[in-house]
Amino acid sequence: KNEVEQSPQNLTAQEGEFITINCSYSVGISALHWLQQHPGGGIVSLFMLSSGKKKHGRLIATINIQEKHSSLHITASHPRDSAVYICAPRANTGNQFYFGTGTSLTVIP
Amino acid sequence: DGGITQSPKYLFRKEGQNVTLSCEQNLNHDAMYWYRQDPGQGLRLIYYSQIVNDFQKGDIAEGYSVSREKKESFPLTVTSAQKNPTAFYLCASSMVAQETQYFGPGTRLLVL
Repeated sequence: KNEVEQSPQNLTAQEGEFITINCSYSVGISALHWLQQHPGGGIVSLFMLSSGKKKHGRLIATINIQEKHSSLHITASHPRDSAVYICAPRANTGNQFYFGTGTSLTVIP
Repeated sequence: DGGITQSPKYLFRKEGQNVTLSCEQNLNHDAMYWYRQDPGQGLRLIYYSQIVNDFQKGDIAEGYSVSREKKESFPLTVTSAQKNPTAFYLCASSMVAQETQYFGPGTRLLVL
């Protein structure tokens, strides 16, 4: 059973396009982590949010805890945005993060 | 320059051998974690530690062991009891449990 579902699994975009990655989860959570995994395997934390919206540069993350849904948007996409984006909701209790399988994004020049 | 380091980048294990993966952080974080990543699957928690000399099993602890003798260090041993150890192993840390996690570059373990 998957507590976290991401869509799409794979995404190819032209440079400059607006991109949306979706994350739905079935468990009660207190916050949600968006992570970026580079082709070499290293993972970078993009956002941790528990309500509303956060923006950092060209990246925007939104969350609706009641609807159990979060989105990651990338404006004016660039080839360097090519990576796997992972959604990781944090459980209400304990120290558990649930991890999605990721969305693989390729941005073509 | 603060961060998390993992070594080695690649590690080869022979049948019946125990191997140890290193994880060091100089971020002064209390909590540290070990995850395993397999193709097509999300990260799975092996062990975590919230404080020195204490650690807890995660979802897939069987065949693994850890220690937390120093705040900066959280080594993971893959024992011979782990029958399918080939995977990408990621170490992470956070200021306190449940806060933003910072990840190391990972160690890829292969079985000979």
